Amino acid sequence: EIVLTQSPGTLSLSPGERATLSCRASQSVDSKFLAWYQQKPGQAPRLLIYGASNRATGIPDRISGSGSGTDFTLSISRLEPEDFAVYYCEQYGSSPWTFGQGTKVEI
Amino acid sequence: QVQLQQSGPGLVKPSQTVSLTCTVSGVSISSGSHHWSWIRQHPGKGLEWIGYIYSKGDTYYNPSLKSRVTISLDTSKNQFSLILDSVTAADTALYFCAKGSTWLDPWGQGSLVTVSS
Repeated sequence: EIVLTQSPGTLSLSPGERATLSCRASQSVDSKFLAWYQQKPGQAPRLLIYGASNRATGIPDRISGSGSGTDFTLSISRLEPEDFAVYYCEQYGSSPWTFGQGTKVEI
Repeated sequence: QVQLQQSGPGLVKPSQTVSLTCTVSGVSISSGSHHWSWIRQHPGKGLEWIGYIYSKGDTYYNPSLKSRVTISLDTSKNQFSLILDSVTAADTALYFCAKGSTWLDPWGQGSLVTVSS
């Protein structure tokens, strides 16, 4: 199965700063079949990005995804207070679908 | 707007079977080309995809759980369910249902299942 490694484990930033999160796959992910989710304490994950770069409904354009092959990035251009959470990547190009271990973005 | 509401027992004894249900509103689970998934999250850990069912009934399971998992549809109640057999402490987790079989959106609120005697 494809192993996704997210880095860093924790990102300490301030509101207004830019966040760059990495998701590296152990083998190439077919056709950009990669998604990003945000999870806040006590809540279910929320879809942010699918197809590596497509924003889900209602996601602001300061959140963007990029990458292909084995290297993918989630960027948040200007952190808002509601952006402090844990972020997971998921690959759905090779069964079984797998998730990264998460990156926590904290103040 | 599609919404998913989960239900199920919180505490299960080792070797028993856990059954969770996800009630869907806003769309018929048997219409179109919809897929419905189950995912779990071990305490303080990441996410693990369990499997999904297609609106016509086809299923696909994570090979690591395949021998113990059944996902089914109840179209009369617009629900889909997860059955996990022969549970152990390693199955203690927060279980989520979600719409989709690739990217997942939206998700249910989660159901904590604790396996303990």
